[in-house]
Amino acid sequence: EPEVTQTPSHQVTQMGQEVILRCVPISNHLYFYWYRQILGQKVEFLVSFYNNEISEKSEIFDDQFSVERPDGSNFTLKIRSTKLEDSAMYFCASSGRQDSGYTFGSGTRLTVV
Amino acid sequence: KQEVTQIPAALSVPEGENLVLNCSFTDSAIYNLQWFRQDPGKGLTSLLLIQSSQREQTSGRLNASLDKSSGRSTLYIAASQPGDSATYLCAVGDSYNTDKLIFGTGTRLQVFP
Repeated sequence: EPEVTQTPSHQVTQMGQEVILRCVPISNHLYFYWYRQILGQKVEFLVSFYNNEISEKSEIFDDQFSVERPDGSNFTLKIRSTKLEDSAMYFCASSGRQDSGYTFGSGTRLTVV
Repeated sequence: KQEVTQIPAALSVPEGENLVLNCSFTDSAIYNLQWFRQDPGKGLTSLLLIQSSQREQTSGRLNASLDKSSGRSTLYIAASQPGDSATYLCAVGDSYNTDKLIFGTGTRLQVFP
């Protein structure tokens, strides 16, 4: 069964450093997403991406965040200057159509120290 | 603003029991509703997707129902097994003008032998 692949599975970074989280969505999917889950809290929407541009973003997704689909397969989330409160599990997801449901990756646990 | 709530927050049952997990949402103008399973420290596995025009979906021992007018969905698990132990998340596709998911707080299920 097709999978969404995320790397790395765990990343530790110092406060103020830039991090790039990587995702390979399912190959024929058109809609791409990032969500995050702070430990013990709900899964929260960050951003959706369609047709090579952001289609929607949440209040969390400020100027420190950016997304990119640099080639036909990868989808990345960049955090420019990490803060302690960015520590969370970050999930990438993709879907083929808006009504077809999501497939999530296994997540990247980001720890900012 | 859409709010999604799940009860109970935690549930512990003996193997073999049939059980019901509940999800409620405040705005009935949803696009679809998806149930996920999350194992500790892991990603989200899609279990069932119900479109707004549907009343229920079934997969194996799982049955999910949707009552949009009352803002409720239930996930029924038949003949529970220890391998069903996980956190179950309900997520609604918020409305027809957005494709983001709004997640509930989750129900942590433990099935003991």
